[in-house]
Amino acid sequence: QKEVEQNSGPLSVPEGAIASLNCTYSDRGSQSFFWYRQYSGKSPELIMSIYSNGDKEDGRFTAQLNKASQYVSLLIRDSQPSDSATYLCAVNGKNSGGSNYKLTFGKGTLLTVNP
Amino acid sequence: GAVVSQHPSWVICKSGTSVKIECRSLDFQATTMFWYRQFPKQSLMLMATSNEGSKATYEQGVEKDKFLINHASLTLSTLTVTSAHPEDSSFYICSAKTSGGAVYNEQFFGPGTRLTVL
Repeated sequence: QKEVEQNSGPLSVPEGAIASLNCTYSDRGSQSFFWYRQYSGKSPELIMSIYSNGDKEDGRFTAQLNKASQYVSLLIRDSQPSDSATYLCAVNGKNSGGSNYKLTFGKGTLLTVNP
Repeated sequence: GAVVSQHPSWVICKSGTSVKIECRSLDFQATTMFWYRQFPKQSLMLMATSNEGSKATYEQGVEKDKFLINHASLTLSTLTVTSAHPEDSSFYICSAKTSGGAVYNEQFFGPGTRLTVL
């Protein structure tokens, strides 16, 4: 059973601070990693994807990947109250048909940014 | 770009009836679409992978005769929940994969359909 683990939180940070979200995964063969943001009652929204070891920056978001440690993280700089949401880590792997098209999601980390 | 729509956004039905949910990719062609289910306070669970022009691939534990999937065109996939029961009440979300190799698998999600079975 391929697993993706996240700290469920809640993670609470003050406005303007850096929020750090972490994720570990069990499948060493995984090659693609994603962070989604999900507001309460809404569907997930893709915010970052990362495929290579190291850092990838996009605006206030930085994704970090360490395949040797099977670890993915997301940093949110200058956190805003509008960033308050559940952040889902997703890892690509094999589906039951054997193709490479399955995302396994963690349970998500609830982030609250306090004004 | 990469916009996915879903219809209806919510539905309430009586136990034993069937419900059809549509998922459309609006600005791209999606050879592969995915159907997920999310129960309260739980993460997304993949139900099936829908490939245009072929049979869907169901995940272990998902009844293919109960959850009928049709992907007849490059922009439309449908999920029919047959003989729905209260335990099928959930948030059903579709996603579509943009072009690119299998290793990438960036998926964009529709807004979801909240199903309540009385």
